[in-house]
Amino acid sequence: AQSVTQLGSHVSVSEGALVLLRCNYSSSVPPYLFWYVQYPNQGLQLLLKYTSAATLVKGINGFEAEFKKSETSFHLTKPSAHMSDAAEYFCAVSDGSSASKIIFGSGTRLSIRP
Amino acid sequence: GAVVSQHPSWVICKSGTSVKIECRSLDFQATTMFWYRQFPKQSLMLMATSNEGSKATYEQGVEKDKFLINHASLTLSTLTVTSAHPEDSSFYICSASWQRPYNEQFFGPGTRLTVL
Repeated sequence: AQSVTQLGSHVSVSEGALVLLRCNYSSSVPPYLFWYVQYPNQGLQLLLKYTSAATLVKGINGFEAEFKKSETSFHLTKPSAHMSDAAEYFCAVSDGSSASKIIFGSGTRLSIRP
Repeated sequence: GAVVSQHPSWVICKSGTSVKIECRSLDFQATTMFWYRQFPKQSLMLMATSNEGSKATYEQGVEKDKFLINHASLTLSTLTVTSAHPEDSSFYICSASWQRPYNEQFFGPGTRLTVL
């Protein structure tokens, strides 16, 4: 079985500050890991994905995440927060097989202070 | 590329009526479509997985007779909420995927259902 745990349901940072959203996973097989962003009343947009290639994954909007097998973590970071980054962020895991399920974390709401 | 649409984007209906939500993959053929439900300030919960031309696979606890899923073509899946009640009010999101080296799902914009 696979699962993800997002630490912190709400994170608040100042504009220009480092963004760090934490995600730990559990998987009995090599995982595929994803970060999605959701703006209010909208669907999900893929920020980045790890598919067993490079452990440091760069995504859209300046976000990146590092896969650390020893820590079973896939934390999302951005060096400098922008007001437009305020949204809900979901970490997710799948086993990557055809038609496999994606299991979502509980989400982290990111707020940006002016 | 890989655009998924949903229709309608929002719907209000009376208790006891049925509502159909469409999910379309606009620029690719989706071998598999997924339906999720999201309550306010909560995560997405997978309701069912459907493959074109076959019956949907429902997650535990999801009433298949209440949430009818049809995946008649490689670009269209529908979710029908039958005899809707206020507790069915939610945000419904579909996603679509196809055979790739890894499974990436492309998400629709969601449908807000309000049952009065």
